[in-house]
Amino acid sequence: AQSVTQLGSHVSVSEGALVLLRCNYSSSVPPYLFWYVQYPNQGLQLLLKYTSAATLVKGINGFEAEFKKSETSFHLTKPSAHMSDAAEYFCAVSDGNQGGKLIFGQGTELSVKP
Amino acid sequence: GAGVSQSPSNKVTEKGKDVELRCDPISGHTALYWYRQSLGQGLEFLIYFQGNSAPDKSGLPSDRFSAERTGGSVSTLTIQRTQQEDSAVYLCASSLAQGEKHFGDGTRLSIL
Repeated sequence: AQSVTQLGSHVSVSEGALVLLRCNYSSSVPPYLFWYVQYPNQGLQLLLKYTSAATLVKGINGFEAEFKKSETSFHLTKPSAHMSDAAEYFCAVSDGNQGGKLIFGQGTELSVKP
Repeated sequence: GAGVSQSPSNKVTEKGKDVELRCDPISGHTALYWYRQSLGQGLEFLIYFQGNSAPDKSGLPSDRFSAERTGGSVSTLTIQRTQQEDSAVYLCASSLAQGEKHFGDGTRLSIL
């Protein structure tokens, strides 16, 4: 069975600083991995996804994530935080295939200080 | 184009009442998913539709929860005899068979 663990329920960074949100997964099959962002009172928006084509995945809004099989990790990074990045971020693994149901981590709330 | 639409956006009801939550997926999307988002539980999968069939309803928490989809389009999630622990945001997502899931803004359900 697949599962996802996000380390840190809350991360705070200064504007312009590096953003690093951690995600570790467990999967009995090659995983499909996703990062979603949720702004207040909105649904989830896909930031990026890993589907085995390339280990370094670039997404929207300057975010990227690197798939590391040896570490079972898929950490999300952005070189320079912007105030508009403040939101909740969810890592997810797909149940068996790219179109399968998503198993989500608990989420990490990102705060950006001016 | 139109995204996934959920209604109502907010619902307040008394314990013991039945509620219906509606999801209008993106036109042409064959797959539809319901998730529940609550404090302390995160995002939980409830049920998945492919067309009008529900091959995976493993996440429905009790027999008070049911869902249907008609015409391969609109889906309704029904909660009978609501309890306070049902208070949550209910999110719907739709996608093409192997495509990106598009989420609605959710229905915020509060049980008094």
